[in-house]
Amino acid sequence: GQNIDQPTEMTATEGAIVQINCTYQTSGFNGLFWYQQHAGEAPTFLSYNVLDGLEEKGRFSSFLSRSKGYSYLLLKELQMKDSASYLCAVRDSNYQLIWGAGTKLIIKP
Amino acid sequence: IAGITQAPTSQILAAGRRMTLRCTQDMRHNAMYWYRQDLGLGLRLIHYSNTAGTTGKGEVPDGYSVSRANTDDFPLTLASAVPSQTSVYFCASSEGANNEQFFGPGTRLTVL
Repeated sequence: GQNIDQPTEMTATEGAIVQINCTYQTSGFNGLFWYQQHAGEAPTFLSYNVLDGLEEKGRFSSFLSRSKGYSYLLLKELQMKDSASYLCAVRDSNYQLIWGAGTKLIIKP
Repeated sequence: IAGITQAPTSQILAAGRRMTLRCTQDMRHNAMYWYRQDLGLGLRLIHYSNTAGTTGKGEVPDGYSVSRANTDDFPLTLASAVPSQTSVYFCASSEGANNEQFFGPGTRLTVL
């Protein structure tokens, strides 16, 4: 079966750095996405990785290791507005997105 | 209209009733998707359409149907609603199957 695993909840302090991990087992791999979802709102796109390595976009970076079936999202200089759920999704061999349940990130002052 | 709109925002429905959730996008995206999101679970694909005139089944299609008569609209119909269809429904679109998906604001549906 296909499976995306990420921690259910994490807590971090404003101004700090947090790493949210995602491991996957899917039928084929055609890229990995990270989305942010604030409570009661729609998911919004953050990053996309298809090759191994680190993609940096401002305060957010995403890393991929295809051989390990592993990705992480790194958030730096945390702000209160970063409190949200972070969704990991893998595009499988049918080009459909398989979604993890999301990691709820709580930022404390 | 800017992006994707969904209607209604929320709905309470009696079991057995028929309901259509509307989705419209103005980005001229070829691909459109319907997901449901339930607490503790990831988004699950119900149906998708890679281009106008075609549709396909996702992970959880039973009890739902879709149509794609044109590029902009992708309605989702529950023929006879059941309480297990209580969920938040998101419509999404992408320029192609390879591209990032853009999501509508969602419809919160409660079936009693």
